[in-house]
Amino acid sequence: GAGVSQSPSNKVTEKGKDVELRCDPISGHTALYWYRQSLGQGLEFLIYFQGNSAPDKSGLPSDRFSAERTGGSVSTLTIQRTQQEDSAVYLCASSLTPSGSRPQHFGDGTRLSIL
Amino acid sequence: GQQLNQSPQSMFIQEGEDVSMNCTSSSIFNTWLWYKQDPGEGPVLLIALYKAGELTSNGRLTAQFGTTRKDSFLNISASIPSDVGIYFCAGSYNNNDMRFGAGTRLTVKP
Repeated sequence: GAGVSQSPSNKVTEKGKDVELRCDPISGHTALYWYRQSLGQGLEFLIYFQGNSAPDKSGLPSDRFSAERTGGSVSTLTIQRTQQEDSAVYLCASSLTPSGSRPQHFGDGTRLSIL
Repeated sequence: GQQLNQSPQSMFIQEGEDVSMNCTSSSIFNTWLWYKQDPGEGPVLLIALYKAGELTSNGRLTAQFGTTRKDSFLNISASIPSDVGIYFCAGSYNNNDMRFGAGTRLTVKP
């Protein structure tokens, strides 16, 4: 499709397991962003990529969180040893360039539930 | 990261009423964006503003880039039930640091 695609749309896993979330940005978009949204809350910035590099990792909550991007396209967000407080919707967005004047286009998110 | 100050936090209105919400920042921006998020979906861009004083409409929606460059508002006229959702403002200044407001949750009663 033409939009940002995220998978899976829903993920339920047990505490302590690792999870991997995937984001396919809009074709040609060089910038890619990950956000976390807790129930009824705003967007918490996690990390952004320009190409395959991540100039800003300041929002990652702990060292259990990591992300990578390959080929300037697909990105994966990995959470190791999941905790119940990791339960949230994880949103991915992409923009043509990382310039703040370029709107970010969002996927529908992955709803993560940690039992 | 740091967020904008968006208000009100929530609104309960009657169908047909007009709605107004706003965002303020302690620093100046040169881009303001307004998004709407429906349940179970990602935010969708409604209006983008790139110039101080700019007033832009998209159907029943009107948004303005404040002349101080530190605020923006979004108006919805003649609300309808499908306007229900969370509205987010976002702003940035010449870099990749797009900041989001905490959202305004809108409920429209038929």
